[in-house]
Amino acid sequence: AQSVTQLDSHVSVSEGTPVLLRCNYSSSYSPSLFWYVQHPNKGLQLLLKYTSAATLVKGINGFEAEFKKSETSFHLTKPSAHMSDAAEYFCVVSDGHGGATNKLIFGTGTLLAVQP
Amino acid sequence: GAGVSQTPSNKVTEKGKYVELRCDPISGHTALYWYRQSLGQGPEFLIYFQGTGAADDSGLPNDRFFAVRPEGSVSTLKIQRTERGDSAVYLCASSPGSEREGEETQYFGPGTRLLVL
Repeated sequence: AQSVTQLDSHVSVSEGTPVLLRCNYSSSYSPSLFWYVQHPNKGLQLLLKYTSAATLVKGINGFEAEFKKSETSFHLTKPSAHMSDAAEYFCVVSDGHGGATNKLIFGTGTLLAVQP
Repeated sequence: GAGVSQTPSNKVTEKGKYVELRCDPISGHTALYWYRQSLGQGPEFLIYFQGTGAADDSGLPNDRFFAVRPEGSVSTLKIQRTERGDSAVYLCASSPGSEREGEETQYFGPGTRLLVL
């Protein structure tokens, strides 16, 4: 079965400093992985996705993630945090391989705080 | 263009009552999903429709939960005999249904916040 583990429930950074949100996955086959962001009282928005093409994936708002099979990781990074990045971030794996479902399996989330 | 919309945005009901939650997917999207997000948790899958049929309902917690999509567009999630534990945000998502299996981007609505008193 597919699963993801987000290693930090809360991360706090200062504006202008790098962001690192950690995610490890477990999958019996080559997974499709996603990062979604959820701002307060707003819907989930896709930041980026990995689908077995390039291992370094660039997303919106300056975020990127690197798929590392040897480490079973898919960490999310951004070189310089902005106040507007404060939100909850979810690492997600798709359970859609070879079956009749495309259901997403979400991690427990990392709440990112950005200090001025 | 319009995104996924959900109504109502908030619903307060009493234990034992019946509720219906509505989802309008993005026009032309053949796939539709329901998820439930409890406080402090990530969303959990409930059910997936491809067209009018439920392709995967393995996430429905029990037989009090039911969902339909009779014309392959709008979907309704129905909860009978509500319990306090059903309180959560119910999220709907849709996807085009045209990408490779497992790689589809799902577009989420803002959710319906259900509170069962």
